[in-house]
Amino acid sequence: GQNIDQPTEMTATEGAIVQINCTYQTSGFNGLFWYQQHAGEAPTFLSYNVLDGLEEKGRFSSFLSRSKGYSYLLLKELQMKDSASYLCAAMDSNYQLIWGAGTKLIIKP
Amino acid sequence: DADVTQTPRNRITKTGKRIMLECSQTKGHDRMYWYRQDPGLGLRLIYYSFDVKDINKGEISDGYSVSRQAQAKFSLSLESAIPNQTALYFCATSDEGADTGELFFGEGSRLTVL
Repeated sequence: GQNIDQPTEMTATEGAIVQINCTYQTSGFNGLFWYQQHAGEAPTFLSYNVLDGLEEKGRFSSFLSRSKGYSYLLLKELQMKDSASYLCAAMDSNYQLIWGAGTKLIIKP
Repeated sequence: DADVTQTPRNRITKTGKRIMLECSQTKGHDRMYWYRQDPGLGLRLIYYSFDVKDINKGEISDGYSVSRQAQAKFSLSLESAIPNQTALYFCATSDEGADTGELFFGEGSRLTVL
């Protein structure tokens, strides 16, 4: 079957770095997405990886290893506003998104 | 104003009632989607539409129906609501021509079925 695994919750300190991991199993693969969702709000797009490697976008970076079925989202210089859930989603061969349950990131001062 | 607008934002109803959630978008996207989100679960696709004449079932379509009234409007109906349909519902759009297939979500409709 198709599956996405990511940690349920993580805690980090303001100003620090945190890495949120995601492993996936899909029927075929057409890319890996990361979305940010603040409590009670809509998810918003953060990144898309389809090739192996690291994509950097400001304080956020996303990494993909297709051979390992693995991705991570790296957040640097953490700010209180980064407290949110981070959703990992993989696109299968039919271009359907398979979503993880999300990782709730708690930032402490 | 939001590019993807959902109404109502919150609704409490009783078992057996018919409910319609509406979604409209100003992004000019052809593709529209309805998802539900439950605590501890990933987003699950209910229905999707790639243009006005195209309607497709998603992962969990049982108990739901949709109507694509125009390119900009996509509504979700629960013909006879039941308590396990209590959830947060999101409408989303995407641009067929976009490299990433990024989804743009509405603000969500929180439905409670008593």
